Amino acid sequence: RKEVEQDPGPFNVPEGATVAFNCTYSNSASQSFFWYRQDCRKEPKLLMSVYSSGNEDGRFTAQLNRASQYISLLIRDSKLSDSATYLCAVNIFPQASGGSYIPTFGRGTSLIVHP
Amino acid sequence: DAGVTQSPTHLIKTRGQHVTLRCSPISGHKSVSWYQQVLGQGPQFIFQYYEKEERGRGNFPDRFSARQFPNYSSELNVNALLLGDSALYLCASSSGTGVDEAFFGQGTRLTVV
Repeated sequence: RKEVEQDPGPFNVPEGATVAFNCTYSNSASQSFFWYRQDCRKEPKLLMSVYSSGNEDGRFTAQLNRASQYISLLIRDSKLSDSATYLCAVNIFPQASGGSYIPTFGRGTSLIVHP
Repeated sequence: DAGVTQSPTHLIKTRGQHVTLRCSPISGHKSVSWYQQVLGQGPQFIFQYYEKEERGRGNFPDRFSARQFPNYSSELNVNALLLGDSALYLCASSSGTGVDEAFFGQGTRLTVV
């Protein structure tokens, strides 16, 4: 089982729609959680951190459920410019390591917003 | 402030050759992580360095090696290149505390022919 899992999609939605992505992680000792956005052939860019209390940034809302070990990203009022791949990232402390949290990524979920 | 810088941005190599990729982290960041990303997949962890010491190694063969210098910049070396090494190689910079986010450079796109 992969440490961080995402549905690859694609999610194909019309402009103005609300869309939600989930990401599950297997290591209960995971420390920090993030959502990144990656445009085609570009590097991932931080979209937002995910806090236990949940957090919102404009049209984007991220939530963490530690008991069920998943994080979610909700995008409201989708724009054409939201089309991208959304990666979730979890800072995981490996069983055998020199003692450092490793940012570990899911495979990403592809979002296509159409007119 | 300059972000994470990687060089070169693109590279074409022949099977069996060796390649060195370079990364300069954000000023003040002491941790550098290297990732390989192939099309359709998320970034796969290769190495993490903190204060010049290796702190983590992913499931990659010994052909892959890395190091971090006193100024916190880093190199990733790949020997005996295979066609399957063709990918986007990403360097991520962080403070190294484990709770903070990683910031990526623009990547090096390596093509092995």
